[in-house]
Amino acid sequence: GDSVTQMEGPVTLSEEAFLTINCTYTATGYPSLFWYVQYPGEGLQLLLKATKADDKGSNKGFEATYRKETTSFHLEKGSVQVSDSAVYFCALSPRGYSTLTFGKGTMLLVSP
Amino acid sequence: SAVISQKPSRDICQRGTSLTIQCQVDSQVTMMFWYRQQPGQSLTLIATANQGSEATYESGFVIDKFPISRPNLTFSTLTVSNMSPEDSSIYLCSAPTGGANYGYTFGSGTRLTVV
Repeated sequence: GDSVTQMEGPVTLSEEAFLTINCTYTATGYPSLFWYVQYPGEGLQLLLKATKADDKGSNKGFEATYRKETTSFHLEKGSVQVSDSAVYFCALSPRGYSTLTFGKGTMLLVSP
Repeated sequence: SAVISQKPSRDICQRGTSLTIQCQVDSQVTMMFWYRQQPGQSLTLIATANQGSEATYESGFVIDKFPISRPNLTFSTLTVSNMSPEDSSIYLCSAPTGGANYGYTFGSGTRLTVV
């Protein structure tokens, strides 16, 4: 079945550091890929998405590129802020409307 | 994209009782999904709720424990029945959104503590 693997956390960075959170997936066909963010005590918010190979999703300075050859969707940000501290979930969905399969989540802690 | 209002946002319940969680979507959606997020864990799908038919439950979840209603295309409820401390989790509903904003919108979650 479909699965998503993302790097273990917590990831601890200083403000303005470069961020990479790795995400790889296993799926048949061509799934859509997502990054969701969960701030402390809140629900999930869609951060960015990509629906086909080589697409780049971007939002709030975060980027991720759909790499079919490496089945990856790594999340990057050039300069993190304290306010980026949250849990980040990589997820996939098969073509069409169906359920999301989530990775285990990666906690990011950014210190001033 | 759709907006989902979920309530209650949190509750503390006695074991053996039941809690019903409500989700209201501001537009019509064909499918709604219910997830459980146990402390420090990822999201696990409980069931898919379609209007006009019984919900489809994932392995490990049963209707007697988690009855779901879907009376129309904008509303759904999940009941956690005969609760035990192991049911302490965050419960989230979700719905797909289409068009240019294709994705999935989530409610803000219900943080349930069973004592």
